[in-house]
Amino acid sequence: QKEVEQNSGPLSVPEGAIASLNCTYSDRGSQSFFWYRQYSGKSPELIMFIYSNGDKEDGRFTAQLNKASQYVSLLIRDSQPSDSATYLCAVRGFGGYQKVTFGIGTKLQVIP
Amino acid sequence: DVKVTQSSRYLVKRTGEKVFLECVQDMDHENMFWYRQDPGLGLRLIYFSYDVKMKEKGDIPEGYSVSREKKERFSLILESASTNQTSMYLCASIQNSGRAGNEQFFGPGTRLTVL
Repeated sequence: QKEVEQNSGPLSVPEGAIASLNCTYSDRGSQSFFWYRQYSGKSPELIMFIYSNGDKEDGRFTAQLNKASQYVSLLIRDSQPSDSATYLCAVRGFGGYQKVTFGIGTKLQVIP
Repeated sequence: DVKVTQSSRYLVKRTGEKVFLECVQDMDHENMFWYRQDPGLGLRLIYFSYDVKMKEKGDIPEGYSVSREKKERFSLILESASTNQTSMYLCASIQNSGRAGNEQFFGPGTRLTVL
């Protein structure tokens, strides 16, 4: 079983719709959870992080964490064509040297 | 506003050559990482370093070595490049603190092609 699992997609949504991206992880000791956006040919850039159960909102983005289910998601409201990218879920465990494990990423396509 | 830089954006080498990829960060971060990214496989950790002269193997260290002589610089070395090392290489750094939201900052990446 992979440590961080994501559906590779592509996930296609019409412009203005809500895009829902999902991620599951295997290590129950994981402490911090990150969503990165990566445009084609570019390096990942952080969108949001979350470490407490529940929802965290930042503009059009909402991250949701459920540690009991080992599940983290990212909702993008009012999706725009500029949101078309690959979204990487990343998980960091407790202590250690801050090793972060990434999922393979979900490719999102927002159709105008 | 540049935080993490990598020596080359694109690199073409021949099989058997020794290849050096350099990464420099200006944020005084303790931890630095080298990843490779391949379609369908995502980001895979090659090596990381938590201090000067310290290194730890990641998930796929075979065929690679690293060097960290100064805090701001972390080098990835391909001792004898092979075609299966053709990939996008990403360097990242992070501050070593207990703050939960510490993020990794990535460099722009080096796309290496081995012929």
